[in-house]
Amino acid sequence: EDKVVQSPLSLVVHEGDTVTLNCSYEVTNFRSLLWYKQEKKAPTFLFMLTSSGIEKKSGRLSSILDKKELFSILNITATQTGDSAIYLCAVTRASGAGSYQLTFGKGTKLSVIP
Amino acid sequence: NAGVTQTPKFQVLKTGQSMTLQCAQDMNHNSMYWYRQDPGMGLRLIYYSASEGTTDKGEVPNGYNVSRLNKREFSLRLESAAPSQTSVYFCASSGISQPQHFGDGTRLSIL
Repeated sequence: EDKVVQSPLSLVVHEGDTVTLNCSYEVTNFRSLLWYKQEKKAPTFLFMLTSSGIEKKSGRLSSILDKKELFSILNITATQTGDSAIYLCAVTRASGAGSYQLTFGKGTKLSVIP
Repeated sequence: NAGVTQTPKFQVLKTGQSMTLQCAQDMNHNSMYWYRQDPGMGLRLIYYSASEGTTDKGEVPNGYNVSRLNKREFSLRLESAAPSQTSVYFCASSGISQPQHFGDGTRLSIL
């Protein structure tokens, strides 16, 4: 059974702080690891990681994957109140015809206070 | 650009009633998915459709049926709703080897 564990489950920081969110996984026939941000409605895509050691960056957010140790981290620098959200980690394995089933972790709830 | 559209946004049912949740995507994606999200449980896959004409069970399929009506539309049906099916339901779609894009969800309450 595929398994994704995120830590911490919740986090409260002050604006300007840097945070690191963790995601460890166990999955058969691993294909990729994805990070999503969920505010009030739909999860929105942040990063998809398939190779170890290659950092992906988007503004103040960055993420990296370690396929040997089976984990990923999501870093957010200079946090803003708009970063407050649930951050979801998910892993995929191939399930035929090019589709990819996602197995999600329970998420990390980040609260950024002014 | 609508992306993934779900209807309805909210619904209240009585135990035993039936209901179909609708999902449509305009991104020409082959694959579509249905998830449920419960507090403390994360998102769990109910059913998915790798391509038009195929459907497969996910992690929590019991009590649900799906129909891939065409490439754009993927519906989820509750034949006899139970309180345990109270949840937020998300539909998603993806192209080959691409990340899934999610709709805004349907909040379903079963009394």
